[in-house]
Amino acid sequence: QVQLQQSGPGLVKPSQTLSLTCAISGDSVSSNSAAWNWIRQSPSRGLEWLGRTYYGSKWYNDYAVYVKSRITINPDTSKNQVSLQLNSVTPEDTAVYYCVRAAHPDTALAHFDYWGQGTLVTVSS
Amino acid sequence: DIQMTQSPSSLSASVGDRVTITCRASQTISTYLNWYQQRPGKAPKLLVFAASSLQSGVPSRFSGSGSGTDFTLTISSLQPEDFATYYCQQSYSTPLYTFGQGTKLEIK
Repeated sequence: QVQLQQSGPGLVKPSQTLSLTCAISGDSVSSNSAAWNWIRQSPSRGLEWLGRTYYGSKWYNDYAVYVKSRITINPDTSKNQVSLQLNSVTPEDTAVYYCVRAAHPDTALAHFDYWGQGTLVTVSS
Repeated sequence: DIQMTQSPSSLSASVGDRVTITCRASQTISTYLNWYQQRPGKAPKLLVFAASSLQSGVPSRFSGSGSGTDFTLTISSLQPEDFATYYCQQSYSTPLYTFGQGTKLEIK
């Protein structure tokens, strides 16, 4: 059974960096049949896919256009975890952030089958 | 981006009712459509993938159908635990995934 355990601060000041970590158990961050995604949810914007990392002979990253200049998603193979960094945050980045596994990530059959517990991150001074 | 529009936004129903939720894509997405259930304070849970394939462990009262731009999620006989919010999500433009705005299913 795959489990995703998220950790990180729930309050970040404007202009600073949001950092979250997702510890993976029951699967490997280096799996070539899964991708590790970050998705966020807010009342105003709904569910938004932010980006992903996955291994397929080498490491790949894809990011949503609207955060591409500010986001980094990195795997940590020694700890079997994945991290999210979002720079220069504003109050509009306030949301619940989820770490999510996608099965069949390289195909249009991709679907989000395992989710972390979610972390509410508030951007406020 | 492919826009996903769900209807209705909210729905009241009773235990035992048959309920259908609709999702429409802004362009054709074949059958690359997934459905999720979200209970308050919890993460979304995958119900159906590829428009009509039931995820392992999901009760058979849930079913999905559709192709092209129009899709439906049907719950054949509502149970108390089914009152939640439901989301559709397209994977046609992987990895530029987009979700519908959600349909909140409430007890009548």
